[in-house]
This record gives sequence, C-alpha cells and structure tokens, in this order.
Amino acid sequence: GDSVTQTEGLVTLTEGLPVMLNCTYQTIYSNPFLFWYVHYLNESPRLLLKSSTDNKRTEHQGFHATLHKSSSSFHLQKSSAQLSDSALYYCALSLTNAYKVIFGKGTHLHVLP
Amino acid sequence: GALVYQYPRRTICKSGTSMRMECQAVGFQATSVAWYRQSPQKTFELIALSTVNSAIKYEQNFTQEKFPISHPNLSFSSMTVLNAYLEDRGLYLCGARRDRGKRNTLYFGAGTRLSVL
Repeated sequence: GDSVTQTEGLVTLTEGLPVMLNCTYQTIYSNPFLFWYVHYLNESPRLLLKSSTDNKRTEHQGFHATLHKSSSSFHLQKSSAQLSDSALYYCALSLTNAYKVIFGKGTHLHVLP
Repeated sequence: GALVYQYPRRTICKSGTSMRMECQAVGFQATSVAWYRQSPQKTFELIALSTVNSAIKYEQNFTQEKFPISHPNLSFSSMTVLNAYLEDRGLYLCGARRDRGKRNTLYFGAGTRLSVL
C-alpha cells in the first residue's frame, strides 16, 4: 500500500548548521503530491511545502525540497537552522484522485544555540 | 486565510463513556473533512474521510459504530468517540480541504486531546 518513510525520532543540531530531513515514499500512482507539514506544540500542523512536479525545487520560509520520482524522495532542506525551526516535521503523501493524505511518523527537529 | 478550529482543545472522559468533538472551517468551504488520530508515540492515522455529497469512508480498524461523524454543511463537522477506552487516547485532528485553489492541501485544526481515565 501507499506509505511514507522519513527520518525518525529526534534530530539535534546547532543553530546555523544545515538541515536535512529525509523522506521517501511508496505508491503505485504515478502522480503523487508530496507535502511537508510543520507542527509546533499546541498549534495546528501547518503546510510548509508541497510538490507534484518531478525535479522541481519548491521553497518556502527558507526551507526547500525537490520531488524526485526516480528515487521516490522529497527531502526537506534548509541551509542554516534557526532556533525557531525546532518543531515536529511530517512528510505526507496524497494521490491526485483521492482525498486521503498519508503521513510519515514525524521527525522532531531540535535546534540548539 | 483558511482557518480550522477544533473544540474542545482538551478533554478527559471516564472509561466507557463517549465524547464529542467539533471542527469548524472559517473563511472557506470545506468540501471534505478528514479526521485523524495521533496516538502516543505514533503518527497521524486517518480515521475517516467525509466528503460532501458522498458517503463517509472509514479506514480499516475504524468504524462508524465507534466513531460516528456528522458533516451537515460546508463549514462544520463533528465526530464522537463512543465508549472510549485507554487505547482511544491521543490527539484527534481535523483536516479540511477547500473546494478549489489549494487542491489537495489539508488545513488542520489544533486538535482535541483526549485523555481517558
């Protein structure tokens, strides 16, 4: 079935260092939508990035990701981590002709000063 | 902008009792509403998807008998957890999708956190 696998658990890094959170997916559908959601404690999960176009970089708020269908990946990157980036990050998959969104298990990013 | 409100934010119920939670879309028409549960140490698990003018579709391991959902109009949905037990505790999220513009994007509420005693 359709699934999402992402860097699990806690990722700790120092402010100013680059961020990379891995996400790969599995689906038989050829045109999936991939998303990154950011979830701060006691707030709504918020859409950070989304893409359905192969090999096109998408950017928002300093984060970027490129959907690579050849490797079924949608890794989240940022050149320089900030303290305010500390949150839970979820990679998610949706199929164009369905309303179902499938989430990965989430990655807790903790940025240290 | 699109906003989704959930009520209550936190609730505690006794084992075997029921608890109703609400989801309100503000500023857009929610043509479909997805209810998710995040159990402790787990990811968001889809319970059911409710789309206007279509039957509510429940995922495996979730039933209408346990999680009845009402979606009476394009701005409101509610779900009840019937006979709640310890395994039902967690964060229940409502995700609403608008009809056009942000296709396939879910806008989430902040969730209802259910504790069961």
